[in-house]
Amino acid sequence: AQSVTQLDSQVPVFEEAPVELRCNYSSSVSVYLFWYVQYPNQGLQLLLKYLSGSTLVESINGFEAEFNKSQTSFHLRKPSVHISDTAEYFCAGGNSGNTPLVFGKGTRLSVIA
Amino acid sequence: DVKVTQSSRYLVKRTGEKVFLECVQDMDHENMFWYRQDPGLGLRLIYFSYDVKMKEKGDIPEGYSVSREKKERFSLILESASTNQTSMYLCASSPPPDRRGRAQHFGDGTRLSIL
Repeated sequence: AQSVTQLDSQVPVFEEAPVELRCNYSSSVSVYLFWYVQYPNQGLQLLLKYLSGSTLVESINGFEAEFNKSQTSFHLRKPSVHISDTAEYFCAGGNSGNTPLVFGKGTRLSVIA
Repeated sequence: DVKVTQSSRYLVKRTGEKVFLECVQDMDHENMFWYRQDPGLGLRLIYFSYDVKMKEKGDIPEGYSVSREKKERFSLILESASTNQTSMYLCASSPPPDRRGRAQHFGDGTRLSIL
């Protein structure tokens, strides 16, 4: 069965510290991988995506994720977080067929001043 | 930019009412989706549609129906609202698979309370 697993439901971190949000996927959803961010009382916004090519993908606000086929992982990282990064983050994956993306249960990132 | 618009941000209804949640997208996307989001459960897919007048059940379709009469509009219907349908409802749209990787684009959500 297709699955995307986010290993941590909550991650507290101090401002300006590095953070890693973990995501593992089953091989059947490995073609396309995404990270979404959800700020309070809003919908999900696409943060970054892996389609093919370079295994390291970056977003405009300093996040990056690395596709690791051997570990079936797509962890999200940021070297120095800001208060404004406080949000819920969702990992999602899909295959080449026209089927809905599979979402992880989300990780709530809390940045502490 | 893709715009997915959900008709209401907040909605309060009574048990037993028929409830309509509307969603419109402006990017001519073929695919549209309805999810509900609950604390600790993440996003759960209710229904999706690949084309006009087509619908497919998701993981939790019980108590819901959908309508897609036009490509840009996808409606979620609670036939007889119950308190366990109190939730945040999210609509999304996406193009079919291609080199863009068919990312789903979400509306801002409707927070529905059933009293």
